[in-house]
Amino acid sequence: AQKVTQAQTEISVVEKEDVTLDCVYETRDTTYYLFWYKQPPSGELVFLIRRNSFDEQNEISGRYSWNFQKSTSSFNFTITASQVVDSAVYFCALSEASAAGNKLTFGGGTRVLVKP
Amino acid sequence: DAGITQSPRHKVTETGTPVTLRCHQTENHRYMYWYRQDPGHGLRLIHYSYGVKDTDKGEVSDGYSVSRSKTEDFLLTLESATSSQTSVYFCAISGPGQVGPYGYTFGSGTRLTVV
Repeated sequence: AQKVTQAQTEISVVEKEDVTLDCVYETRDTTYYLFWYKQPPSGELVFLIRRNSFDEQNEISGRYSWNFQKSTSSFNFTITASQVVDSAVYFCALSEASAAGNKLTFGGGTRVLVKP
Repeated sequence: DAGITQSPRHKVTETGTPVTLRCHQTENHRYMYWYRQDPGHGLRLIHYSYGVKDTDKGEVSDGYSVSRSKTEDFLLTLESATSSQTSVYFCAISGPGQVGPYGYTFGSGTRLTVV
């Protein structure tokens, strides 16, 4: 069975600090997809990134960057120079390509609070 | 994004009453899912559907049933609501075959309170 662990339940930083969110996953599949979603206080789920298991290249998008390491089954997310608008709950999720129905398994989420 | 809508957005109901939540999509996607979100647990899969009349259980299916009589609608029913089913419910859709570039599209959520 697949599992996603986000060990940090809440992180508090001051604006302009960097913050890294950890995500560790478990899967028996060799083909799978990893995601990060943002849930702002308004409650909707906002897609941030999708990565497949064959693409270990790190990615940067503006102030966001992701570090995918298959050797440690981790897919960490860093916000550089955090801003108040980054305050949200962030979810890491895993989908196994072979699983019937492409089911998505979520971690418990990390709440990020950015103080001005 | 109007591709997926959930109704109602908010509902308060009494213990023991039946409740049905509706998820409607206009994307003609094959897969539909119901998740519940609770603090500390992230989102957990209740039931999912891989086609009309084809459904299966997720990890927290006890106390819930689903139906999908047409592609665009996926209904979640709480046969006899309990306080432990107070939660935020999200519907999601995904396309056929491989997971699409954006993975899944989520509805705006239904906040259900059982008193």
